[in-house]
Amino acid sequence: AQSVTQLGSHVSVSEGALVLLRCNYSSSVPPYLFWYVQYPNQGLQLLLKYTSAATLVKGINGFEAEFKKSETSFHLTKPSAHMSDAAEYFCAVTSTSGTYKYIFGTGTRLKVLA
Amino acid sequence: DAGVIQSPRHEVTEMGQEVTLRCKPISGHDYLFWYRQTMMRGLELLIYFNNNVPIDDSGMPEDRFSAKMPNASFSTLKIQPSEPRDSAVYFCASSLILGFSDTEAFFGQGTRLTVV
Repeated sequence: AQSVTQLGSHVSVSEGALVLLRCNYSSSVPPYLFWYVQYPNQGLQLLLKYTSAATLVKGINGFEAEFKKSETSFHLTKPSAHMSDAAEYFCAVTSTSGTYKYIFGTGTRLKVLA
Repeated sequence: DAGVIQSPRHEVTEMGQEVTLRCKPISGHDYLFWYRQTMMRGLELLIYFNNNVPIDDSGMPEDRFSAKMPNASFSTLKIQPSEPRDSAVYFCASSLILGFSDTEAFFGQGTRLTVV
């Protein structure tokens, strides 16, 4: 079975500060990993994905994430937070073989302080 | 492409009534997923289809919930009878699995269901 754990349901950062949202995964097979963002009253939008190519993945809006197999982690970072980054962020995992269902973490709500 | 289209965007119904949520996936996608989002439980996978065939419905909460995909361009999620605890945002997503190198799920805008 696959799962993801997001540490911290709420994270606050000052505008211009580093954003770090944590995600750890559990998978018995090599995983595909994703970060999605959800703005209020909207669906989920893909930020970036890891599909076994480069371990450092760059996404939209200046976000990036690094796949670390030894730590079973896929943390999301952005060097400088912007007010428009305030949203809920979800980490997700799916299998590389067999079933392709996407399992989501519980989400982290990012607040950006002026 | 217009993306994944869900209807209605909002639904308010009385307890005991039948509710049908609709989804049109992105053309050419071979996987379709139904999720439910609540504050308490987050994003739960209810059921997913591959080439119109249900693959895993273990997330469907109970027999009151049913989902169909009669063709590649349409799916429904039905709740009969509805209960207040079914109030949530229901998302449909679709995906195209291209070998093992490229995959992502595209989400619709969701249907906010309120059962009173």
